Amino acid sequence: EVQLVESGGGLVQPGGSLRLSCAASGFTVSSNYMSWVRQAPGKGLEWVSVIYSGGSTYYADSVKGRFTISRDNSKNTLYLQMNSLRAEDTAVYYCAREPPIFDYWGQGTLVTVSS
Amino acid sequence: EIVMTQSPATLSVSPGERATLSCRASQSVSSNLAWYQQKPGQAPRLLIYGASTRATGIPARFSGSGSGTEFTLTISSLQSEDFAVYYCQQYNNWPPGFTFGPGTKVDIK
Repeated sequence: EVQLVESGGGLVQPGGSLRLSCAASGFTVSSNYMSWVRQAPGKGLEWVSVIYSGGSTYYADSVKGRFTISRDNSKNTLYLQMNSLRAEDTAVYYCAREPPIFDYWGQGTLVTVSS
Repeated sequence: EIVMTQSPATLSVSPGERATLSCRASQSVSSNLAWYQQKPGQAPRLLIYGASTRATGIPARFSGSGSGTEFTLTISSLQSEDFAVYYCQQYNNWPPGFTFGPGTKVDIK
């Protein structure tokens, strides 16, 4: 059974950093495309980043230069390193498998950027 | 950038009735469109991809149609578990990006 479990969210001050993790089971992260998608409170879905099975990465303009997507094949885990956080980055962050059609999603982890 | 719009923003429907949700793209996305359902406090769930192909385990009462810039999600007979927010998503111009519509909330009339 495919499962995705995010962790690492929390309260962080503006300008701070946070690293999110997404532990996968039931499939191999390195063999799939993987993405992060976020949802601000009460708002819609916003794609954040993708990593291809070959290792190429892409980012939304809103996070480019501040966020880094990566994976640890030995741990079958996806990461999102978030630096220079802003209030507008406040959201639930989901990891999702197999973009462009996101067939499995984690339950999400809440990131709150506030002083 | 392709902009997705959805209408209506809220749709009030009685159980057992038909619901028709619309999604429009600012330029053609061919059939590269997906629909997701999201219930409060839950992650989105994939319903439809390729504009009209149901995802695994999705009931036949959900159907998608359209191509180019105009798309429709139809729920033929609403069940209590179908009251949720529905998002469309284009994936015609990836990489790099995927864009979602703002969502349509289907609530109980």
